[in-house]
Amino acid sequence: QVQLVQSGAEVKKPGASVKVSCKASGYTFTNNYIHWVRQAPGQGLEWMGAINPSGGSTNYAQKFQGRVTMTRDTSTSTVYMDLSSLRSDDAAVYYCARDLGWLLKVYAFDLWGQGTMVTVSS
Amino acid sequence: QSALTQPASVSGSPGQSITISCTGTSSDIGSYEFVSWYQQHPGKAPKLMIYDVSNRPSGLSNRFSGSKSGNTAFLSISGLQAEDEADYFCSSYRMSNTLVFGGGTKVTVL
Repeated sequence: QVQLVQSGAEVKKPGASVKVSCKASGYTFTNNYIHWVRQAPGQGLEWMGAINPSGGSTNYAQKFQGRVTMTRDTSTSTVYMDLSSLRSDDAAVYYCARDLGWLLKVYAFDLWGQGTMVTVSS
Repeated sequence: QSALTQPASVSGSPGQSITISCTGTSSDIGSYEFVSWYQQHPGKAPKLMIYDVSNRPSGLSNRFSGSKSGNTAFLSISGLQAEDEADYFCSSYRMSNTLVFGGGTKVTVL
């Protein structure tokens, strides 16, 4: 079954870091970029960045530069998104999503994880 | 404020056709064909409906179609059905390896 399965909900204090995982199955992990998109409550979608599961290269949205790190583990077909220095406005559902392109980015996401809710509260 | 501008809401009766607009700039929609549309039902992950301006993923209903003119992209839904009631988001590649989204449009089936 082709799917992306994310880790469970997190509650963090302001200033802390959160690491969300995204495990791929049912397809060749290294063939498609993985992107991270977040959605604050009642708000729209916001692109955070992408990782190439094959070589590990990344590109991040300027807004998150210096605070976000995306990594991958090819042995477990898992991608990770680490966001540091959390603020109250980082509270959102975080999604991983597979790029439709084969070995390149076309910035269309044909497979999504179920989402991970991150709550930031003191 | 989102980078791409969409109407907050669009409505139509069953069987009718509606069109959602998504306005960007010459740095995104106006210069690239990487425009996508997503449908999102409450509490669910988004679902890809259109990619590369006008292409439908395999198996998707042909009631959904996409187009672009200048800096504005459009999603059209024909033969509106109750199950089409959802939020719709557009996205576009923007220069310098960035992706931007619209603020979303709530489609109501009357």
